[in-house]
Amino acid sequence: AQSVTQPDIHITVSEGASLELRCNYSYGATPYLFWYVQSPGQGLQLLLKYFSGDTLVQGIKGFEAEFKRSQSSFNLRKPSVHWSDAAEYFCAVGARAAGNKLTFGGGTRVLVKP
Amino acid sequence: EAQVTQNPRYLITVTGKKLTVTCSQNMNHEYMSWYRQDPGLGLRQIYYSMNVEVTDKGDVPEGYKVSRKEKRNFPLILESPSPNQTSLYFCASSSKIRGVENIQYFGAGTRLSVL
Repeated sequence: AQSVTQPDIHITVSEGASLELRCNYSYGATPYLFWYVQSPGQGLQLLLKYFSGDTLVQGIKGFEAEFKRSQSSFNLRKPSVHWSDAAEYFCAVGARAAGNKLTFGGGTRVLVKP
Repeated sequence: EAQVTQNPRYLITVTGKKLTVTCSQNMNHEYMSWYRQDPGLGLRQIYYSMNVEVTDKGDVPEGYKVSRKEKRNFPLILESPSPNQTSLYFCASSSKIRGVENIQYFGAGTRLSVL
């Protein structure tokens, strides 16, 4: 069965500093990987996705993620965070079965200090 | 505009009082799912549907029912809600073409409190 682990529950970062959110997955085949962001009181917004090809994926809002098969990881990065990046971030792995089911990690809440 | 619409957005109810959360999509998607979001657990799939009259259990189906009588609608039914069903619920839809590579569209969420 597929699973996703986000080891960091909370991360606090200063505005302008870099950010890296960790994601480890377990999946038997080639994974379909996603990062979503949820701002306070809001729904989910897709930041980026990886299906195949270049292992460094660019997303919206200046985010990027790198797929590392050998480490079963898909870490999310941003070089310089803005106060508006304060949110909860979810990594997910997708399956072709079960209606395109997404299996989510527990989430990482990012706090941005001025 | 492509949309998944959930209603209501907020709901407070009491134990045992049947309720329905509606979900509607305007993209002619075949696949629809319900997820619940709980702190530290992320989102977990409750039920999914791959087409009209085709539904199946996800990872946490206990205490929930669904139906898919029309392609656009996928209501979530709690016949006898209990406090452990207090959660944030999301409906999602996607196209079956190209499978999971398709973007899933999520509704804005329904925050349910069962007292």
